Amino acid sequence: NAGVMQNPRHLVRRRGQEARLRCSPMKGHSHVYWYRQLPEEGLKFMVYLQKENIIDESGMPKERFSAEFPKEGPSILRIQQVVRGDSAAYFCASSPGLAGVGEQYFGPGTRLTVT
Amino acid sequence: AQSVTQPDIHITVSEGASLELRCNYSYGATPYLFWYVQSPGQGLQLLLKYFSGDTLVQGIKGFEAEFKRSQSSFNLRKPSVHWSDAAEYFCAVGGLTGGGNKLTFGTGTQLKVEL
Repeated sequence: NAGVMQNPRHLVRRRGQEARLRCSPMKGHSHVYWYRQLPEEGLKFMVYLQKENIIDESGMPKERFSAEFPKEGPSILRIQQVVRGDSAAYFCASSPGLAGVGEQYFGPGTRLTVT
Repeated sequence: AQSVTQPDIHITVSEGASLELRCNYSYGATPYLFWYVQSPGQGLQLLLKYFSGDTLVQGIKGFEAEFKRSQSSFNLRKPSVHWSDAAEYFCAVGGLTGGGNKLTFGTGTQLKVEL
């Protein structure tokens, strides 16, 4: 059973460009979480999605950031008009749902560098 | 609001010595508690988790943790550290809320193992 997959692993964008990060959850998992890790810090929750629904986006910046988890395909975290402060590692985690409450499996992360 | 404190930013131990990493949490209800390990440039791997029941939890790689409700602590221990244990360790708290099970992480403890 393949783990959580994220791509790309590394992404370099110039200021003002768009960044698109993808996350494919583990097979059978219908819940996806996105976290951001700034240098020398722990992970901070951004958003929680189920298929076709955003359940909790309390950790998302109000502007430029959006997330989706369509019926088919991976979850996407989109950052428009990136700024240097967006440089961070972005991790996706999946869980099988309330039956597996609390146990989240993390992907390897996407390391975004804004130049 | 839930929070996690890991008071030790860096810890150095000799190989073969015992290890204890501290974690204190704040949570308004019964917490779900986790320890994750992160190697450089990698994602997070779950070491162990506590949901309920026995307060001494066994995990992978010889790690264990003890939940002490009276002290709001969930310290990680290992009787004999191996050089391959050098990594960053994160304590996290979660729980069922109206919006899923987002995890709140501590800032991490960087473990260095001296040979």
